Amino acid sequence: NAGVMQNPRHLVRRRGQEARLRCSPMKGHSHVYWYRQLPEEGLKFMVYLQKENIIDESGMPKERFSAEFPKEGPSILRIQQVVRGDSAAYFCASSPRAILSQETQYFGPGTRLLVL
Amino acid sequence: AQSVSQHNHHVILSEAASLELGCNYSYGGTVNLFWYVQYPGQHLQLLLKYFSGDPLVKGIKGFEAEFIKSKFSFNLRKPSVQWSDTAEYFCAGRFSGGYNKLIFGAGTRLAVHP
Repeated sequence: NAGVMQNPRHLVRRRGQEARLRCSPMKGHSHVYWYRQLPEEGLKFMVYLQKENIIDESGMPKERFSAEFPKEGPSILRIQQVVRGDSAAYFCASSPRAILSQETQYFGPGTRLLVL
Repeated sequence: AQSVSQHNHHVILSEAASLELGCNYSYGGTVNLFWYVQYPGQHLQLLLKYFSGDPLVKGIKGFEAEFIKSKFSFNLRKPSVQWSDTAEYFCAGRFSGGYNKLIFGAGTRLAVHP
């Protein structure tokens, strides 16, 4: 039973380029969450998606960041015109069901983004 | 505002020592609490979770945590640590009204020396 998959595991971009991070949830999971971990800090929530819907994007920066979870395929976190401050580990988590359920979020291995 | 705080950022112990990592949360409503562990180079793994019921929760690898509502705390404990427990430990909360997002503490880095 495959866990949450993320790719790439490491991504190097120059300032101004675009970064696309992919997340495939566990089988049977329809809820995806993205978190960012800056150096020496804990994980910070970014966005919560269900298939084709953004449920909560309260943690997403207003500019340059977007996320989607299409009907088919993985969830994508897209960062346009990256800056050095975007360098971080980006973790995806998934869960089977919706809010207020006793479900656990299962985390992927993360994508470590380095902006030069 | 909802928040989770971990008091110890770095802890160094010798093998067989007892461990207690502090976690406090700030919120007056319903809360679910979690401890995750991140071994070097690996992803977060769930150690244990509290939703309701018995406030003393047993997890994997000999870890346990106690939910004390009056103190807004959910401290992690292990009676005797091993070198393999060297990792970073994160406390997280899911608060009612916050959709399903987890709010994490800053983490505690534990180093266990043989």
